[in-house]
Amino acid sequence: QVQLVQSGAEVKKPGASVKVSCRGSGYNFTPYYIHWVRQTPGQGFEWMGWIVPNSGGTNYAQKFQGRVTMTRDTSISTVYMELSSLTSDDTAIYYCARGLLVSGKGFFDPWGQGTPVTVSS
Amino acid sequence: DIQMTQSPSSLSASVGDRVTITCRASQSISSSLNWYQHKPGKAPEVLIYGASSLQSGVPPRFSGSGSGTDFSLTISSLQPEDFATYYCQQSASIPRTFGQGTKVEIK
Repeated sequence: QVQLVQSGAEVKKPGASVKVSCRGSGYNFTPYYIHWVRQTPGQGFEWMGWIVPNSGGTNYAQKFQGRVTMTRDTSISTVYMELSSLTSDDTAIYYCARGLLVSGKGFFDPWGQGTPVTVSS
Repeated sequence: DIQMTQSPSSLSASVGDRVTITCRASQSISSSLNWYQHKPGKAPEVLIYGASSLQSGVPPRFSGSGSGTDFSLTISSLQPEDFATYYCQQSASIPRTFGQGTKVEIK
C-alpha cells in the first residue's frame, strides 16, 4: 500500500538543527510533491513547504525561509527536511504528506506517521 | 495568508447523531477546501477534497458542501470510530493553511 515512513523522535538543544526523513513506498515516488506540515500546541497545523523529488524543486513558507532546507535522495525514495536555529517554539510533531491532484483539486494523502521533535536545554 | 476559522472548537455528541462542522475562509477559495480526520498518535487522513468529493475508502456518512468562503462537513450518523479532531485546509493558495480543529467527543 502507499505509505510514507518517517524517522524517529528527536531531542535537540536550542540553536541546533534537526533533520527528519520521509521514505515513500507503494507508488512511483519521484513525480509526487512531498509537503511538510508541523503541528504545535499553540499554532495547530502549519504548512512548511514542499519538494518535488524528480527535480528537487522546492517552495518554502515565508515563515521558515532561511531556516528550512528540503532535499531528496531518489535512489532510496526519501526526502529530508532540515530545520536550523531551533528554539522551544519549534517543539512539534513534524509530518510529511504526499500531494495529490484530482480533478484540479489538491490535497494531502497519505501522511507520514509524524516525527516528534523536542527542543529543550 | 488565507485564514481558516472552524466552529465549533469542540462538541459533544452521541452515537447516531448528525453532526455538522463549519469552516470559513478569510477570502474566496472557490471549492479548494479539504477535510481531514485526526486521531491521537495517528497520521491525519483526508475525508473530503475539493469541498464535496469523498476520498476513496471513506464511509458515505461523511459529506462536504460549500464554495467561496463558507463550507461544512457533515457526519450523518456518528459512529464510535468517528470520535476525533477534524480540520479544514485550503489548497487555493500558498501557504496552505488549516483551521484550528473541531474536537468531536462522546456525550
